[in-house]
Amino acid sequence: GAGVSQTPSNKVTEKGKYVELRCDPISGHTALYWYRQSLGQGPEFLIYFQGTGAADDSGLPNDRFFAVRPEGSVSTLKIQRTERGDSAVYLCASSLRAGRGGTEAFFGQGTRLTVV
Amino acid sequence: AQKVTQAQTEISVVEKEDVTLDCVYETRDTTYYLFWYKQPPSGELVFLIRRNSFDEQNEISGRYSWNFQKSTSSFNFTITASQVVDSAVYFCALSASANSKLTFGKGITLSVRP
Repeated sequence: GAGVSQTPSNKVTEKGKYVELRCDPISGHTALYWYRQSLGQGPEFLIYFQGTGAADDSGLPNDRFFAVRPEGSVSTLKIQRTERGDSAVYLCASSLRAGRGGTEAFFGQGTRLTVV
Repeated sequence: AQKVTQAQTEISVVEKEDVTLDCVYETRDTTYYLFWYKQPPSGELVFLIRRNSFDEQNEISGRYSWNFQKSTSSFNFTITASQVVDSAVYFCALSASANSKLTFGKGITLSVRP
């Protein structure tokens, strides 16, 4: 596609439920990133993939969060037993390559997750 | 550890005024990259500029210019002749040479009034 696509754009779920957030990166981009942005804050890094493997998952807050990218393209961020504190905008980005700090990342419009 | 500080939280200017957004960073890396992103109300982060740590040359690109000073760990961004469409949240970000994950500041909300 022309840009990074994230679905759904909005998700409301009840506390304790399981959610999946999807990211479709720019075609040909091998690196994919997930960030979380709380209200009034800058995005915070969660995880990044180079190809199919998670190259750095140091930003995942706890074991309720998990992400996959089985074919090196689309990625799914999975959150188990959601809590109200998980409410935020989840941003996905992709770039041509990772491992070099100057790589320009293109961001999607995000999924706004609300846990009630 | 890396840190980005954007001390300004909100700036309001009248159209056609120049405005400078401040950014101070901390890193132990000798090679690193600095970025500015814009986040309009639509929510999508838009890449604006990137500089690497070994090139302190300041540049101008259209109405945008930036001032990178390693001695003070600052990477300030200036919009000349601001326009209403410049209204957005602006984020400064930092990444190390070893990987591409970005450390963002808290952002500056810029409002440009007609």
